[in-house]
Amino acid sequence: QKEVEQNSGPLSVPEGAIASLNCTYSDRGSQSFFWYRQYSGKSPELIMFIYSNGDKEDGRFTAQLNKASQYVSLLIRDSQPSDSATYLCAVMAGGGNKLTFGTGTQLKVEL
Amino acid sequence: EAGVTQFPSHSVIEKGQTVTLRCDPISGHDNLYWYRRVMGKEIKFLLHFVKESKQDESGMPNNRFLAERTGGTYSTLKVQPAELEDSGVYFCASSHKASPTGELFFGEGSRLTVL
Repeated sequence: QKEVEQNSGPLSVPEGAIASLNCTYSDRGSQSFFWYRQYSGKSPELIMFIYSNGDKEDGRFTAQLNKASQYVSLLIRDSQPSDSATYLCAVMAGGGNKLTFGTGTQLKVEL
Repeated sequence: EAGVTQFPSHSVIEKGQTVTLRCDPISGHDNLYWYRRVMGKEIKFLLHFVKESKQDESGMPNNRFLAERTGGTYSTLKVQPAELEDSGVYFCASSHKASPTGELFFGEGSRLTVL
């Protein structure tokens, strides 16, 4: 079992729709959860982080965390073609800044 | 403010040769990390420097890999001798000591191809 699992996609959504990206993790000691966006050939860029159960909203992005189910998701509202990228889920155990990544989900927002 | 810069962006070498990758973190960032992504796999942690000291090198695959951060500024990652399975994208990231979110700023990576 992978430590952080994501569906590789591609996930295709029409412009203006809600994109839902999901991630599960195996280490119950994980305390911090991150979503990075990576355009092809570019650096991963942090877009959201969440520490506590529940929802966290930032603009068009909402991160959701359920520690009991070991599940974290990212919702992107009003999806735009510029949102087309690979979204990487990453988790961090307590202490240090060592991230464990999933393989990423490719999102395609179609006109 | 300049971001994390990595050099070279792409290196093609033959098996058995040596390659040195360089990372310049964001100025003032004490924490520097090396990660690697091999084809089709997830990005994996290699090691973590705090200033010039190795804080965690648990992800280094074997003794063919040597990372240094002399003076606590830029870092180099040397692979000697390179093997086919070393091919991949090597990412460097940095963060400020006091970063509350643990946010890492990544470079665009150095793509290594070993033939």
